[in-house]
Amino acid sequence: AQSVAQPEDQVNVAEGNPLTVKCTYSVSGNPYLFWYVQYPNRGLQFLLKYITGDNLVKGSYGFEAEFNKSQTSFHLKKPSALVSDSALYFCAVRDGSARQLTFGSGTQLTVLP
Amino acid sequence: DVKVTQSSRYLVKRTGEKVFLECVQDMDHENMFWYRQDPGLGLRLIYFSYDVKMKEKGDIPEGYSVSREKKERFSLILESASTNQTSMYLCATTWATTNTGELFFGEGSRLTVL
Repeated sequence: AQSVAQPEDQVNVAEGNPLTVKCTYSVSGNPYLFWYVQYPNRGLQFLLKYITGDNLVKGSYGFEAEFNKSQTSFHLKKPSALVSDSALYFCAVRDGSARQLTFGSGTQLTVLP
Repeated sequence: DVKVTQSSRYLVKRTGEKVFLECVQDMDHENMFWYRQDPGLGLRLIYFSYDVKMKEKGDIPEGYSVSREKKERFSLILESASTNQTSMYLCATTWATTNTGELFFGEGSRLTVL
């Protein structure tokens, strides 16, 4: 079985400050981890993924995520937030042998000017 | 760029009506998925298909069926719509050669059942 948790429904951060959106996961095998972003009334857009290798993954729009196996976490980060980063963010996990992706409940990020 | 097109962005239907949601992709992807998105629940998988005429149940298949007669098209069918099926429906695709691939999503179909 695979599952993912996003413990924060809402994250607020001031523009220019660093941001973190948290994600923890549970899988029985090796995890494949993904972050997606959703703007209002739109589909999801892929940001980045961890499959193997370097624990720090860089993605689109200046986002990065750190894979931590011991803490089973994959937190999304950005050094300096923009107002345009305000959106709904989803973490997702796939067990290495699974076909389908399991999504978290989402975190609404609001960047305040 | 991958293009995933959902036929209707907004639909309003009455309880008991039959509803078709269609999804077409132009990248020759083998795998196609239907999710529903509800506030606080994230995305939940309804059905997926990894080949023409093949389908597998996801986590919440009750009240839904699917059809995949051609590789590029995956349809979600609500045989008798109910108010608890009011939701945002998202279609997604990915290639099948590896399960490390990310999903590509359509813009979504927001269904309201009255």
